[in-house]
Amino acid sequence: DAKTTQPTSMDCAEGRAANLPCNHSTISGNEYVYWYRQIHSQGPQYIIHGLKNNETNEMASLIITEDRKSSTLILPHATLRDTAVYYCIVRVHFGTNAGKSTFGDGTTLTVKP
Amino acid sequence: DTEVTQTPKHLVMGMTNKKSLKCEQHMGHRAMYWYKQKAKKPPELMFVYSYEKLSINESVPSRFSPECPNSSLLNLHLHALQPEDSALYLCASSLGRVLAKNIQYFGAGTRLSVL
Repeated sequence: DAKTTQPTSMDCAEGRAANLPCNHSTISGNEYVYWYRQIHSQGPQYIIHGLKNNETNEMASLIITEDRKSSTLILPHATLRDTAVYYCIVRVHFGTNAGKSTFGDGTTLTVKP
Repeated sequence: DTEVTQTPKHLVMGMTNKKSLKCEQHMGHRAMYWYKQKAKKPPELMFVYSYEKLSINESVPSRFSPECPNSSLLNLHLHALQPEDSALYLCASSLGRVLAKNIQYFGAGTRLSVL
């Protein structure tokens, strides 16, 4: 199974872009990259996912390198409510283990006023 | 609506008790998941159900027994647990297990304490 590596913590100024990196150098062809966040031990909240192309939605952008070995989650204008633990996940998308997820240890993002 | 409802929110049980955790969704999702999360750690997958059939069991001890009685409901039966089983138990659901159907939506979890 692919592993993901994330920095333990990061700070960001309110209103600035937050760039959260993730390394997933052993990702395989049937695995997608997902990002979730978790606030105050609530259930994880889906943010965005992708296979190999860059993706953008109303919450964030996801940049995946061409070799797919790393990715960056971008929150374009961080607010205090974005303070959370952000998980980078590789998830099997087809085959016997479809649905199986491997979570990284997470990055605690603190947005400061 | 992307709501997954878990009950109870908190549970305290002794090592000889039998209890059950319940998870419900009404989004028409056909895949459901149980995760275990210890303090300050990421969630770890325990079980995956697809169309009410157990698809993945991550070598979970038999004192945890999952059940999927219908497409909306997922239970986790607990028996003879150990103190180290104390954790946040999370349920998730997705449209399916494959490709674009695999966005998993999580409930708020059941915080379990085993005494």
